[in-house]
Amino acid sequence: DAGVIQSPRHEVTEMGQEVTLRCKPISGHDYLFWYRQTMMRGLELLIYFNNNVPIDDSGMPEDRFSAKMPNASFSTLKIQPSEPRDSAVYFCASSLIAGGEEKLFFGSGTQLSVL
Amino acid sequence: GESVGLHLPTLSVQEGDNSIINCAYSNSASDYFIWYKQESGKGPQFIIDIRSNMDKRQGQRVTVLLNKTVKHLSLQIAATQPGDSAVYFCAENRSRRNTPLVFGKGTRLSVIA
Repeated sequence: DAGVIQSPRHEVTEMGQEVTLRCKPISGHDYLFWYRQTMMRGLELLIYFNNNVPIDDSGMPEDRFSAKMPNASFSTLKIQPSEPRDSAVYFCASSLIAGGEEKLFFGSGTQLSVL
Repeated sequence: GESVGLHLPTLSVQEGDNSIINCAYSNSASDYFIWYKQESGKGPQFIIDIRSNMDKRQGQRVTVLLNKTVKHLSLQIAATQPGDSAVYFCAENRSRRNTPLVFGKGTRLSVIA
């Protein structure tokens, strides 16, 4: 299995632009998580899905952030409009909790820089 | 007020020595614990996990110890190698299954060759 695949690996954009981060979870996994990592706040959970349904989005910082999971093999995290304080590494992770495995498998992350 | 950056505890270990990384958790109801390793530029990678019905679990060169009395978790790495240099996170499941793991702030391990 290729693991969790995220794209792009790096994104540099200007303030006010729309940013879309993409994630392909491990095939068969029933949970998908979006995390943000910064030096200031560490690893923060933004939102997670179970069987493509958003379960908890209380970690999403504000309305500029939105996430979708149209099918079991794809999810997006969108920031519109982006701001410099959104600069961080965004990780997607998936797991197969229904199978008794609670550990998360992380992607390589997207390094976002908003200028 | 002025914000401060996240200060990661750092552990420096001589190559070949054993490393012990500690983690305190807060919820006595947590029943699942896990250690992750994050190398620079990469996502966290699973190392080892343990359930609350166990006190110790061993993997390849790694051992996790769980002390539920004092809510303490530790990761022991035997014969530490330069490739072990990374940030190590502990995580706990604070309630029942089907809820996200809660991650600690991390400890940076630096291996001195």
